[in-house]
Amino acid sequence: QVQLVESGGGVVQPGGSLKLSCAASGFTFSNYAMHWVRQAPDKGLEWVAFIRYDDGTKKYFGDSVKGRFTISRDNSKNTLYLQINSLRTEDTAVYYCGKDSATGDFGDHLVDYWGQGTLVTVSS
Amino acid sequence: QVVLTQSPSASASLGASVKLTCTLSSGHSSYTIAWHQQRPEKGPRYLMKVNNDGSHRKGDGIPDRFSGSSSGAERYLTISSLQSEDEADYYCQTWGTGPSGPSWVFGGGTKLTVL
Repeated sequence: QVQLVESGGGVVQPGGSLKLSCAASGFTFSNYAMHWVRQAPDKGLEWVAFIRYDDGTKKYFGDSVKGRFTISRDNSKNTLYLQINSLRTEDTAVYYCGKDSATGDFGDHLVDYWGQGTLVTVSS
Repeated sequence: QVVLTQSPSASASLGASVKLTCTLSSGHSSYTIAWHQQRPEKGPRYLMKVNNDGSHRKGDGIPDRFSGSSSGAERYLTISSLQSEDEADYYCQTWGTGPSGPSWVFGGGTKLTVL
């Protein structure tokens, strides 16, 4: 069965950096695009980033994280990453990775599996 | 830029049915959406995709009590024979292409209370 396991969260000071990981199993990782989605305390879901299925030739970011966050993947390790830099207090959230539903470039690009999330707390 | 609108809250009695609505913004009425469930203190869970023709495709293990439908710019999630475990937040999601490329959006979520 599909499993997504995030790690790397923690407490970091404003202006700091963190690298999140998402280990994938139960599907052919290299055939699917991936997402990062976050949820601030007591708030709704916010899409953060998308990376294409292949070597990550296409990457897209939400407006609130553009220029500060980077998404990458290692298909040989079945792992997705999110490098988060210049952290702000408003980046405090649970970060979820999600598997895209489209096979390759075909189909609707929606999340059809979720990880359990990893908490990032930005505080001095 | 597509926007999804959901009512903040809904309630229904144990054993009854409830229909949740997700409304697509003007000019985007043909879009496919996904429904996700988030139980208290848990991560989201994908429920189904709903197309503009009302067809839907459920995720693995989603009970038959959950169904999707569509009318114009509205996408629906109907839950029948409500159980206490259905008390959760429900989010719709879609994606679209703008001047700077594709982007994804979630509705604000509907908090469902089972009475």
